[in-house]
Amino acid sequence: GENVEQHPSTLSVQEGDSAVIKCTYSDSASNYFPWYKQELGKRPQLIIDIRSNVGEKKDQRIAVTLNKTAKHFSLHITETQPEDSAVYFCAAFTDRGSTLGRLYFGRGTQLTVWP
Amino acid sequence: DGGITQSPKYLFRKEGQNVTLSCEQNLNHDAMYWYRQDPGQGLRLIYYSQIVNDFQKGDIAEGYSVSREKKESFPLTVTSAQKNPTAFYLCASSHPGGRPVETQYFGPGTRLLVL
Repeated sequence: GENVEQHPSTLSVQEGDSAVIKCTYSDSASNYFPWYKQELGKRPQLIIDIRSNVGEKKDQRIAVTLNKTAKHFSLHITETQPEDSAVYFCAAFTDRGSTLGRLYFGRGTQLTVWP
Repeated sequence: DGGITQSPKYLFRKEGQNVTLSCEQNLNHDAMYWYRQDPGQGLRLIYYSQIVNDFQKGDIAEGYSVSREKKESFPLTVTSAQKNPTAFYLCASSHPGGRPVETQYFGPGTRLLVL
């Protein structure tokens, strides 16, 4: 099945700096890549996603890039704020070998933004 | 996300006891999913279902069972065969009208603890 690797596992930045989280995937059939933000004790919330026919997508301070050839995608957060502190998960969707596609998640990155 | 509910918020299990976690959604979603979350492990898929009366095992199905008798409901039973059930359990659903199939939205979670 698909294997999603996420790095780094922890990331500390100063308020106002940028943060980058990287993920790689193994299945070339994966075609959808969401990013979730999870605050302590809460549910994961979708913050941005990208499809395999797109190389980059932006939403205000958040952007995601996808390199299909290299099978990696990244989350970029600019002008970080303390409220960006959370665990971020990447995921890859594939329906290879199954009638029902599913997501495969990375292990998460704990982002801490210091004021 | 407000359309997916999970209960209870906290659940305590005694040795040898089966317990059932509830997941209900009023979003008219077809697909529903159960994930287990442990610290540093990310989200691991237990079971998933695309339609009523059909479901598939995920990556860690041993010791768990599910049913899908109604479109709105996907309860998860943690059986006594699951020797290490302490975790945060998240239910998710997808297939909102007009949106791609892969977008998943999560419920608030149930934290299961062993007495």
